[in-house]
Amino acid sequence: TQLLEQSPQFLSIQEGENLTVYCNSSSVFSSLQWYRQEPGEGPVLLVTVVTGGEVKKLKRLTFQFGDARKDSSLHITAAQPGDTGLYLCAGFNYGGATNKLIFGTGTLLAVQP
Amino acid sequence: DAMVIQNPRYQVTQFGKPVTLSCSQTLNHNVMYWYQQKSSQAPKLLFHYYDKDFNNEADTPDNFQSRRPNTSFCFLDIRSPGLGDAAMYLCATSRVGQGRDGYTFGSGTRLTVV
Repeated sequence: TQLLEQSPQFLSIQEGENLTVYCNSSSVFSSLQWYRQEPGEGPVLLVTVVTGGEVKKLKRLTFQFGDARKDSSLHITAAQPGDTGLYLCAGFNYGGATNKLIFGTGTLLAVQP
Repeated sequence: DAMVIQNPRYQVTQFGKPVTLSCSQTLNHNVMYWYQQKSSQAPKLLFHYYDKDFNNEADTPDNFQSRRPNTSFCFLDIRSPGLGDAAMYLCATSRVGQGRDGYTFGSGTRLTVV
């Protein structure tokens, strides 16, 4: 069974601080995705990383895929209250009949103004 | 805009009374998924349809059923809701072979069982 563990599970910080969320597995994934879910809404895709060692930036968010494609990190610079939400990593493997994602355990982020 | 729409956003049902949640999509995606999500936890996959082929997860209770009458619509039926079934139910879609595109989720239905 493929598992994705995220850390930390909960994070409460002040506006302007930096933070990093980790997503780790013992399994290799073809790609890894990050979603953000705001309270009362469905998850929204932020980014997909495909190549080992890949780094992608989305404004103040930096995503990295580990060289071995088993782990990923999300770094937020100068966090804002609008960044508050549940962050989910999700691993995907090509070759199956359907695109079944394996979701991580989630990181709940609260950014205080 | 192409999207995934779930109705209703909030549903209150009585213990043991059957309830149906609906999901529609305008993306023409061939795969549709139903997830259960409790209290800031990761979504848990209940089942998915690849076109008309139904795929149940091994640990999904028999109390949960699904129907997909056409490409655009998918329903989640809970035959006898228990208090433990109170959760957010999320519908998602994707295209086969396009995993990089990610899933498109609806806004969810918050189910309360009284």
